[in-house]
Amino acid sequence: QVQMVQSGGGVVRPGGSLRLSCAASFSSLGIHWVRQTPARGLEWVAVILFDDNRELFADSVQGRFTLSRDKSNNTVFLQMNSLRLEDTGVYYCARAPYYDALTGGAYFDDWGQGSRVAVSS
Amino acid sequence: EIVMTQSPATLSVSLGETATLSCRASQSITRTLAWYQQKPGQAPRLLISAASTRATGVPARFWGSGSETEFTLTINNLQSEDVAVYFCQQYFHRPSFGQGTKVDIK
Repeated sequence: QVQMVQSGGGVVRPGGSLRLSCAASFSSLGIHWVRQTPARGLEWVAVILFDDNRELFADSVQGRFTLSRDKSNNTVFLQMNSLRLEDTGVYYCARAPYYDALTGGAYFDDWGQGSRVAVSS
Repeated sequence: EIVMTQSPATLSVSLGETATLSCRASQSITRTLAWYQQKPGQAPRLLISAASTRATGVPARFWGSGSETEFTLTINNLQSEDVAVYFCQQYFHRPSFGQGTKVDIK
């Protein structure tokens, strides 16, 4: 059975940083991050594609969030910098059985358990 | 960005009855639509992809239909374990989600 185990998260002041990790028990084309915030509901955040190590980000986090990968233990890291109040929410990593490289279209058939991020002054 | 709009926000249905949830896309997405179920404290669970293809293990009482801009999730013979929030999501372009429909028991 596919498993994705997340760690990280916590409380941080505006402008601060946090790192989330997602360890997957499978090989895939890439790992996506989706967040659920009070303001915007479910929102796709980012993807790291394993074939070419390409990283794509939503406009709302572009320039503030980065992705990295540890191939040795199939773990992906979401580094979140310059955090804002509106970044508060639950962050999920997710696997996409379908990904359209041309459009960025994807849906998600397996999700991590979620990591809570609270940005508060 | 393709905007997904779900209705109603809340739906109360009697046990054994049928729940009908709607999802509208701001432009044609052909059939690139997924439905998810989310229970409190849990991650979303994929129910349906390609507008009408049930994911592995999803009961046959969940039925997806529609194309272009109008989509429907029908839950037949509603069970207590179906109480949840249901989200639609397009994948014609970068993913975007509806705001959800909460289903509870009347």
